[in-house]
Amino acid sequence: AQSVAQPEDQVNVAEGNPLTVKCTYSVSGNPYLFWYVQYPNRGLQFLLKYITGDNLVKGSYGFEAEFNKSQTSFHLKKPSALVSDSALYFCAVRDLNNNAGNMLTFGGGTRLMVKP
Amino acid sequence: DVKVTQSSRYLVKRTGEKVFLECVQDMDHENMFWYRQDPGLGLRLIYFSYDVKMKEKGDIPEGYSVSREKKERFSLILESASTNQTSMYLCASSFPHGQPRAYEQYFGPGTRLTVT
Repeated sequence: AQSVAQPEDQVNVAEGNPLTVKCTYSVSGNPYLFWYVQYPNRGLQFLLKYITGDNLVKGSYGFEAEFNKSQTSFHLKKPSALVSDSALYFCAVRDLNNNAGNMLTFGGGTRLMVKP
Repeated sequence: DVKVTQSSRYLVKRTGEKVFLECVQDMDHENMFWYRQDPGLGLRLIYFSYDVKMKEKGDIPEGYSVSREKKERFSLILESASTNQTSMYLCASSFPHGQPRAYEQYFGPGTRLTVT
């Protein structure tokens, strides 16, 4: 079965510094990988995805993620963090067991705190 | 923009009550999902539906049922609420398999349910 791991419960970074939120995956076959963000008191929002092609994927709000097949990782990055980036971030992978519902398996989430 | 709405943001129910959580999407999506979100556990899929009157169990269906009588509406039912069902419940929808954005799920704002 496929899975994703987010090894850090929380990441702290100063405003203006680069940020990285880590995600590793385990899946047989080609992975479809996703990042979602949850701002306080709101539902999850899609940020970006990797399906095929360029290993560096660009998404919303200046975020990008790098797919690394040899390390089975899909880390989320941003060159310069903003206080408004503070949120809960989820990595997800496509569920290969069922195509009908387009299901995703989510990681446990990483809270990003950006301090002024 | 896709809009997914949930009937309540906050709900308090007593143990043993029957609870209905409603979700409506306006994008004519075939797929709809119900998750529960708990700290450290990420999102866990309860049920999903890939068409009207069609449903499949997710990872944690015990104690829940669902109903999808119309394409835009997906209801989650707690037959007899228990305290361990206190959680945040998120509804999502997506395009069907094969479409370019098939795996991008669109989430509602969530319902925080407390069972006392």
